[in-house]
Amino acid sequence: AQRVTQPEKLLSVFKGAPVELKCNYSYSGSPELFWYVQYSRQRLQLLLRHISRESIKGFTADLNKGETSFHLKKPFAQEEDSAMYYCALMNYGGSQGNLIFGKGTKLSVKP
Amino acid sequence: DSGVTQTPKHLITATGQRVTLRCSPRSGDLSVYWYQQSLDQGLQFLIQYYNGEERAKGNILERFSAQQFPDLHSELNLSSLELGDSALYFCASSPRSWTSSNYNEQFFGPGTRLTVL
Repeated sequence: AQRVTQPEKLLSVFKGAPVELKCNYSYSGSPELFWYVQYSRQRLQLLLRHISRESIKGFTADLNKGETSFHLKKPFAQEEDSAMYYCALMNYGGSQGNLIFGKGTKLSVKP
Repeated sequence: DSGVTQTPKHLITATGQRVTLRCSPRSGDLSVYWYQQSLDQGLQFLIQYYNGEERAKGNILERFSAQQFPDLHSELNLSSLELGDSALYFCASSPRSWTSSNYNEQFFGPGTRLTVL
């Protein structure tokens, strides 16, 4: 079954420290993965997607098919990075591209 | 604001009642998705419409239904409400339905918070 697992509900780091938000997935086909972010009182928005191999706001994520992981990383966390982060998998099997979300990790960056 | 809009922002109702949530997609987007976010289940896909037609169903209860109108706005109808239906309901839109090689970003609305008392 298709599934996204984010093992940490809460991740707390100090400003300037490295951050890694973990995401593991289960998917029978070729996965298409995303990270969405939700800042306080704002709507859910796309942070980055694996197919574009981009770095957004200093965040990167590499798809590791061997480990079925798509961890989100940033070398130096900033206070404005504090938010809820959701890893999502595009589900194409039998449907038309709905997202399967992990339960999210709340990142708290302390000054 | 040309983004996805949802009304109302908040809705408080009683068990057994029926409510309708409304979503207007981004200008030009043909697909609309509904998601439910609850504390225990997280964000779960409910249903998708494309240009007025139902395209995919997720974990949507039979008490819930949706439709997409010719002007592309969508409504999610929740009936015989139970306490457990209390959640944040998100709508998202994307420009097109899935094709085998296309990336399909979804743009989310601010959500409607439903509280069932």
